[in-house]
Amino acid sequence: GAVVSQHPSWVICKSGTSVKIECRSLDFQATTMFWYRQFPKQSLMLMATSNEGSKATYEQGVEKDKFLINHASLTLSTLTVTSAHPEDSSFYICSARAAYEQYFGPGTRLTVT
Amino acid sequence: DQQVKQNSPSLSVQEGRISILNCDYTNSMFDYFLWYKKYPAEGPTFLISISSIKDKNEDGRFTVFLNKSAKHLSLHIVPSQPGDSAVYFCAATLYNFNKFYFGSGTKLNVKP
Repeated sequence: GAVVSQHPSWVICKSGTSVKIECRSLDFQATTMFWYRQFPKQSLMLMATSNEGSKATYEQGVEKDKFLINHASLTLSTLTVTSAHPEDSSFYICSARAAYEQYFGPGTRLTVT
Repeated sequence: DQQVKQNSPSLSVQEGRISILNCDYTNSMFDYFLWYKKYPAEGPTFLISISSIKDKNEDGRFTVFLNKSAKHLSLHIVPSQPGDSAVYFCAATLYNFNKFYFGSGTKLNVKP
């Protein structure tokens, strides 16, 4: 099956710094990638939809200036959490769409101290 | 507005028995439905899907049923195994697959 990787798998950063998370589709090209956030014991919250070569579409309530998304190629999308705060600590998951399915990455645990 | 709902946050089943996970949706325009399985601290993995033109899809121990008139789908796992213990999410999408709507998940515990 299709494989999606995320890097890093976990990161700890200090409040006020920026963190970049990479999402790669390893064996297929993905014109569309999604970024989700999951809080403990809660469902996946879609943050934004990333289309290759165009600006990401953000869901209501998600700050586009804080969560910068870049989809520079058909196999790579990045999420940068700018000026991170402790409340940004969460589990971030990306997925890549291939035909009728979407395949998820393993997730990135972000802890902001 | 939650367009896909899983009203049971948890389900406990004995090994070997059937597990039935339910999902309801509100948007009659949804064209495709999927089930994902998720372990803690991991990304969801695709399990099984069904198109809106079908009412049943089977893959090994997993069967998904779709009742369009009731806007309801269910996932049956038979026989249930301890390794099936995970959180199960149902998802729905429109014909263009541009956005997937997820339910809140059901945590399945299969007891040995």
